[in-house]
Amino acid sequence: NAGVTQTPKFQVLKTGQSMTLQCAQDMNHEYMSWYRQDPGMGLRLIHYSVGAGITDQGEVPNGYNVSRSTTEDFPLRLLSAAPSQTSVYFCASSRQLGYEQYFGPGTRLTVT
Amino acid sequence: ELKVEQNPLFLSMQEGKNYTIYCNYSTTSDRLYWYRQDPGKSLESLFVLLSNGAVKQEGRLMASLDTKARLSTLHITAAVHDLSATYFCAVDRGPGSARQLTFGSGTQLTVLP
Repeated sequence: NAGVTQTPKFQVLKTGQSMTLQCAQDMNHEYMSWYRQDPGMGLRLIHYSVGAGITDQGEVPNGYNVSRSTTEDFPLRLLSAAPSQTSVYFCASSRQLGYEQYFGPGTRLTVT
Repeated sequence: ELKVEQNPLFLSMQEGKNYTIYCNYSTTSDRLYWYRQDPGKSLESLFVLLSNGAVKQEGRLMASLDTKARLSTLHITAAVHDLSATYFCAVDRGPGSARQLTFGSGTQLTVLP
């Protein structure tokens, strides 16, 4: 079991560029989510999904899109990167809503 | 809006000493999680507290939940250097909010020899 995997580990973007952060899990978990972590702050929820084909917004969704075409994958798309999106991004999954979440290793994104 | 406050935010303690980290939250919740994060690493689940009065222990760490007081504590007994990390509590917002989690800001613990 690889658990939750994320790629890339590090990324530098220029303002206005777009990119997709990849997240995959092999635990057959229904629930997946994306968080961002900024210095001195806890994690904030960007988007989440309760199953394939179902997504919803979290606390800080602006500037990000998600889709969930399979149970395993939950990519996060940055449409037009801004310096305010410089952060560490974590993907997480859990068996269902309300269960313990397992986190991926994170992607450190810098937008210049 | 649910607010989650941890204190202290920074904690330096000597090896062998005991200390408690507090997690207060502002609205009703029946579930609370504690996570550990080492520098530059991901979050590791420590405890899941699912009801009022829940107490869980693992090694030198013990977590408890008082839903009436809206308070969870993480107690460290006889600290060792390996416990140096940042500890986060996360509060479940309930089924009405799709059980989204709101995280505290974290407590950065440094255990000194």
